[in-house]
Amino acid sequence: EAQVTQNPRYLITVTGKKLTVTCSQNMNHEYMSWYRQDPGLGLRQIYYSMNVEVTDKGDVPEGYKVSRKEKRNFPLILESPSPNQTSLYFCASSLGIGWDTQYFGPGTRLTVL
Amino acid sequence: RKEVEQDPGPFNVPEGATVAFNCTYSNSASQSFFWYRQDCRKEPKLLMSVYSSGNEDGRFTAQLNRASQYISLLIRDSKLSDSATYLCVVFYTGGFKTIFGAGTRLFVKA
Repeated sequence: EAQVTQNPRYLITVTGKKLTVTCSQNMNHEYMSWYRQDPGLGLRQIYYSMNVEVTDKGDVPEGYKVSRKEKRNFPLILESPSPNQTSLYFCASSLGIGWDTQYFGPGTRLTVL
Repeated sequence: RKEVEQDPGPFNVPEGATVAFNCTYSNSASQSFFWYRQDCRKEPKLLMSVYSSGNEDGRFTAQLNRASQYISLLIRDSKLSDSATYLCVVFYTGGFKTIFGAGTRLFVKA
């Protein structure tokens, strides 16, 4: 089944404790993105990647890191999480850029205390 | 000013009604446009792409007006299952970024 998977789905952590949210897609897609969704603000793009080893900042990259060592995986790293990073996070992938459909993972609900 | 703006609603309509959502975008270099649907904090899913000539998919019609930087979505004969949040999405090839509107909530009642 074609899908985007994220882990964990739910996470409660404390300020400053490094964490990684994994994202994997099995569709051989080139383009991958991370978004965060907050009430009233909609989805905001954190980072995106157009291919292996090619990543760039979205609109809200501060406090986040990403890597794209393999085409299928695009982990999101929070080196020192803070409470303002409490949010719902979505990973997405698409075959290419522009007109291609983005397929989203099920989301990761992160709470930073 | 937000790059992509939508009326947040909520829109409360009876079954069978026709409802229209609007979306404006600020960057004239925008390349491609979409409507996504999101159910209650689940993952967004593509509803339809929006082409310059306008396009229709069953009860859904999307329009794009590049001169006015305006996108619309029309839903005819609303069903209870249409209740969701509708997200206007714009892709910029200049920066390869995807910008989402905050969404418009629709409630269809029996």
